[in-house]
Amino acid sequence: ETGVTQSPTHLIKTRGQQVTLRCSSQSGHNTVSWYQQALGQGPQFIFQYYREEENGRGNFPPRFSGLQFPNYSSELNVNALELDDSALYLCASSSGYEQYFGPGTRLTVT
Amino acid sequence: QKEVEQDPGPLSVPEGAIVSLNCTYSNSAFQYFMWYRQYSRKGPELLMYTYSSGNKEDGRFTAQVDKSSKYISLFIRDSQPSDSATYLCAMAGFSGTYKYIFGTGTRLKVLA
Repeated sequence: ETGVTQSPTHLIKTRGQQVTLRCSSQSGHNTVSWYQQALGQGPQFIFQYYREEENGRGNFPPRFSGLQFPNYSSELNVNALELDDSALYLCASSSGYEQYFGPGTRLTVT
Repeated sequence: QKEVEQDPGPLSVPEGAIVSLNCTYSNSAFQYFMWYRQYSRKGPELLMYTYSSGNKEDGRFTAQVDKSSKYISLFIRDSQPSDSATYLCAMAGFSGTYKYIFGTGTRLKVLA
């Protein structure tokens, strides 16, 4: 176990709705990254937060946004959900380039 | 051209075989190279992490990086059925902005 936790485990939403996913990082890690993993694909980098500031972003639209809190936990918010947003959302914490992943949140958009 | 190319498999081998998994990449900004293992419906688990060209060994696993050819490999010796999983290569670097890219993963099945 990595010590990274995510909630909820599963979630079903309707197209157009908004969702918030949560992540608690491993003790001592000040960096959190979020990824989207579609079935049969590798994780796609959404963004990274370092000490509460976004310091990297992948090719995702602005309706994907995030926050990191002073205790280094983090949220991923997705607005105006689309069917293609259905995926496993992974959070990873790190203090360098070695990342430690949580179990993920499986989001289904209907 | 994708920044990282990885054969999706599936790759089936008998127990005890040596497994070779590979990725190629195109972006010279990548400086850090990782291999992750992912079991079905779980998050990826970090197996190996390397920075420079050359080999790094950890138990039955050896990671190899050739920056001049932009090619990385993971070798698994004495493969076990418990090694059956998807293996993901990943690369990271910073050139103005942080970037972390995964391959699509190779599905490995080790047959008892």
